[in-house]
Amino acid sequence: DTEVTQTPKHLVMGMTNKKSLKCEQHMGHRAMYWYKQKAKKPPELMFVYSYEKLSINESVPSRFSPECPNSSLLNLHLHALQPEDSALYLCASSQGPPPSLYEQYFGPGTRLTVT
Amino acid sequence: DQQVKQNSPSLSVQEGRISILNCDYTNSMFDYFLWYKKYPAEGPTFLISISSIKDKNEDGRFTVFLNKSAKHLSLHIVPSQPGDSAVYFCAALRKTGANNLFFGTGTRLTVIP
Repeated sequence: DTEVTQTPKHLVMGMTNKKSLKCEQHMGHRAMYWYKQKAKKPPELMFVYSYEKLSINESVPSRFSPECPNSSLLNLHLHALQPEDSALYLCASSQGPPPSLYEQYFGPGTRLTVT
Repeated sequence: DQQVKQNSPSLSVQEGRISILNCDYTNSMFDYFLWYKKYPAEGPTFLISISSIKDKNEDGRFTVFLNKSAKHLSLHIVPSQPGDSAVYFCAALRKTGANNLFFGTGTRLTVIP
């Protein structure tokens, strides 16, 4: 099983809403990641969890709040987002955390639209 | 500062012919290079990788070549198939640093039937 799953597939939310994105992997990977991808751009790293602890926060605004309830699950809580936050949000996992040389496996993404 | 570059935003190839996607990098400290394939509205899929100590890695129709002196790698797809039409991202990994995976900007490959 080399699958990373993400829910929901699509999400439309207003600027005052609170919502959460979910990610799951059952490969026994010890590192999980959140990326944001805008159209025609490469994925931009937001957060890295290593052994269920937040190890990297790439200066992401506090309206994005990650959570890692256990080694298989990763959430991204969203609150008071702006229209410019509309993007594809990708979750990924890898066998070991940075700076290891393991490839990352990506989920299908959640297409977020903020109105 | 874009450490991994894909200078061709798009490429069109006839079905059955060879597709060659190119990637250049600036940091000689990268240890590992990867190619990801991405369909619209999906996450990137890991395709093939190469260690910096090798110059070629082959997996079926996909071959990656690494030229360390030129800081250049390429992905060859032979023969190209319509299902290969996607955006291809080159990425580089290094053994040091908290954020150690660097993506190129992507090349959109279109294989014409």
